[in-house]
Amino acid sequence: AIRMTQSPSSFSASTGDRVTITCRASQGISNYLAWYQQIPGKAPKLLIYAASTLQSGVPSRFSGSGTGTDFTLTISCLQSEDFATYYCQQYYTYPHTFGQGTTLDIK
Amino acid sequence: QVQLQESGPGLVKPSETLSLTCTVSGGSISGYYWSWIRQPPGKGLEWIGQIYYSGSTNYSPSLKSRVTISVDTSKNQFSLRLSSVTAADTALYYCARQEAAAARSDYWGQGTLVTVSS
Repeated sequence: AIRMTQSPSSFSASTGDRVTITCRASQGISNYLAWYQQIPGKAPKLLIYAASTLQSGVPSRFSGSGTGTDFTLTISCLQSEDFATYYCQQYYTYPHTFGQGTTLDIK
Repeated sequence: QVQLQESGPGLVKPSETLSLTCTVSGGSISGYYWSWIRQPPGKGLEWIGQIYYSGSTNYSPSLKSRVTISVDTSKNQFSLRLSSVTAADTALYYCARQEAAAARSDYWGQGTLVTVSS
């Protein structure tokens, strides 16, 4: 199975900050990568797919990049509602593995 | 608007079989792929398996010996069975939709908590 490793596992930031989360695949996955946001008590919400395509309705402050094994999720100007846990997922091959998650909390 | 709703027992005894159903509303189950994903309390997401509306399946190797996913197009439902459960199977179980075999999950159910305990 492809292993997805996110970094950092958690960090603190302030409203208005620009933050970047990294996801690394243990082997190449082209651009078959999605990012999800999970607020406590809620189901994951799709933010980005195909590594860089913004899901309809998702604010433009979210962006994704990368191909192959290295990917990033960037939030350009943190809002209060963005403090959550973020997961990457590869769907290049079965099983469709997730990263361990990155929890973003308020500094 | 497509909606997914998980249902099933919230408590299962060790060594028994966990059974959950996901009911799809606001759209047809036909033409899409459907998955089960779980999340142990306080932990990350784990992909369990996927089924096409025609019935073809793919499972996580770590669970393959215990998992069966099936579909009932007449009821617009798909189901999960996980046998020989232990406390490690205690989790929030989500169902989700994909437009293709290799695609993101664009619609998710709210999740249902299953606790394995005697």
